Amino acid sequence: AQKVTQAQTEISVVEKEDVTLDCVYETRDTTYYLFWYKQPPSGELVFLIRRNSFDEQNEISGRYSWNFQKSTSSFNFTITASQVVDSAVYFCALSEAGFNKFYFGSGTKLNVKP
Amino acid sequence: EAEVAQSPRYKITEKSQAVAFWCDPISGHATLYWYRQILGQGPELLVQFQDESVVDDSQLPKDRFSAERLKGVDSTLKIQPAELGDSAMYLCASSSLLRRETQYFGPGTRLLVL
Repeated sequence: AQKVTQAQTEISVVEKEDVTLDCVYETRDTTYYLFWYKQPPSGELVFLIRRNSFDEQNEISGRYSWNFQKSTSSFNFTITASQVVDSAVYFCALSEAGFNKFYFGSGTKLNVKP
Repeated sequence: EAEVAQSPRYKITEKSQAVAFWCDPISGHATLYWYRQILGQGPELLVQFQDESVVDDSQLPKDRFSAERLKGVDSTLKIQPAELGDSAMYLCASSSLLRRETQYFGPGTRLLVL
């Protein structure tokens, strides 16, 4: 069975601090995909990134970076120099090959205070 | 920029009543998803369509929920009769065949059953 765990329910930081959101997954598939989505208060889920199981290269996009480690089944997300606009709920998700099933974690609510 | 449209945005109903939600995916997107998101949890896939065909409805409570996508474009999710536990956000998402890994979400319908 597939499962995604986001152990951090809520994190509060002060603006300009760096913050890392943790994601641990379980799957028996050798081919799978991992995602991060952002859900602002408006409710719409915004796609941030996708990684496949064969690509463990870390990725950086502006203030965002992602660390994928198959050895620990983790796909962590770091925001550098956080801003108030980063306040949202962030979801990690897992999909098997074919994208027929998506499994979302329970989300981490990030509060960035000015 | 093309968006996934959903209506209504908010719905209040009494238990035992019927309720319906509508979703119009991004034009040309063959795959359409309905998710349910209970407060404080991640989205849970209810049903996935490929054009007008159901690909996966294993998590859809079929005794009271139904979904259709008759012409392979827009879709309707119905609950009859609604129960208190159905109060949640109902999210619709779509993706193209070439980029199935990227799901674009609509703003959702917040349902409150009294």
